[in-house]
Amino acid sequence: GALVYQYPRRTICKSGTSMRMECQAVGFQATSVAWYRQSPQKTFELIALSTVNSAIKYEQNFTQEKFPISHPNLSFSSMTVLNAYLEDRGLYLCGASRQAEVFFGKGTRLTVV
Amino acid sequence: GQQVQQSPASLVLQEGENAELQCNFSTSLNSMQWFYQRPEGSLVSLFYNPSGTKQSGRLTSTTVIKERRSSLHISSSQITDSGTYLCAFMPNYNVLYFGSGTKLTVEP
Repeated sequence: GALVYQYPRRTICKSGTSMRMECQAVGFQATSVAWYRQSPQKTFELIALSTVNSAIKYEQNFTQEKFPISHPNLSFSSMTVLNAYLEDRGLYLCGASRQAEVFFGKGTRLTVV
Repeated sequence: GQQVQQSPASLVLQEGENAELQCNFSTSLNSMQWFYQRPEGSLVSLFYNPSGTKQSGRLTSTTVIKERRSSLHISSSQITDSGTYLCAFMPNYNVLYFGSGTKLTVEP
């Protein structure tokens, strides 16, 4: 089966510091990984789409300078939240694609204090 | 930007009643998925449904591509069905755009 692992599940960081989250696809080759954020009381927003051997495409309101992504191979992707502030708190999910279906990890919940 | 209209925002049922959730999409879609969001936040994929009707137990998903809509039908609802249901569509391959969710409460 297709599984996606995310690490860490929860993290707390001080305002102004950075944190890195990881996404691992198991049992399939994830040619694309998309990162999403669910802020409190909101639905999921697409942050960026990362495709191996292609440029990472960021959605409006999200930038590489704030959310740098690494996608070195078909099974692993990581994203860093730089200089995290209160508005960055929420649940971050990675979605790995196998053909047209997306499989999600359990998410990294970020709390900023 | 991509838009997904999901309705209703919340729904309260008595156990045994049926539920119908709807999603309408602003652009043409390649595919769509229905998810259940667990209380701690993680997503459970209920249906990957590019078109037509799919059934799994008491759940039925129907997607009509040319009308840019999809529905999720829950029959004979149970208390354990309570939670948040999300639709998401894929206008291009590999990314999903989510609806705002339906919070379902099933009461005894």
